[in-house]
Amino acid sequence: NAGVTQTPKFQVLKTGQSMTLQCAQDMNHEYMSWYRQDPGMGLRLIHYSVGAGITDQGEVPNGYNVSRSTTEDFPLRLLSAAPSQTSVYFCASSYNQGAEFDEQFFGPGTRLTVL
Amino acid sequence: AQTVTQSQPEMSVQEAETVTLSCTYDTSESDYYLFWYKQPPSRQMILVIRQEAYKQQNATENRFSVNFQKAAKSFSLKISDSQLGDAAMYFCAYRRAPLDNAGNMLTFGGGTRLMVKP
Repeated sequence: NAGVTQTPKFQVLKTGQSMTLQCAQDMNHEYMSWYRQDPGMGLRLIHYSVGAGITDQGEVPNGYNVSRSTTEDFPLRLLSAAPSQTSVYFCASSYNQGAEFDEQFFGPGTRLTVL
Repeated sequence: AQTVTQSQPEMSVQEAETVTLSCTYDTSESDYYLFWYKQPPSRQMILVIRQEAYKQQNATENRFSVNFQKAAKSFSLKISDSQLGDAAMYFCAYRRAPLDNAGNMLTFGGGTRLMVKP
């Protein structure tokens, strides 16, 4: 298993550009999510999905869109990049089947810089 | 809403010594999970240890142990016999239980950078 993969690893954008961060998992996980990591603030939830066709907002959703057309993929779209979106982005997944404990597996992260 | 606070932005420890990282949280839930994650320079998030709120016994994983004080809403991580490879950012995280439509959402603290001196 490859686990959770993210592409690209690094990206530089200009203000106003759009792009999609890719996330894929091969563990048949129902739950997938996107976090952003900023210095001193830990990881904050952007969007999440509990299954194909179902998405919802997290703590900091503004400026981001997601969709979940398959179980494996959960792309994050920046519609019009802003310098405030400079961050490290993590994708995570887990089974989410009501198990007592459901470990989340994280991808390696994408470092995004918006100039 | 739940909040998680790590009051120590940086800590340092001598190799082979013991260090304790602090974490406090705020929740109105009675059942939940608490976690410590390690993030080395590679950026990979690694689960170190977890604690179920309904269990009174403190979790232990080899050199890592927690001191869970439910009434005080405190969840500290003790690293014994510190090694150079322990140097990393450490994040405390909270997840409510049982699962609902919100799924497996984690709330993180701001992190503590641990430095290990040889």
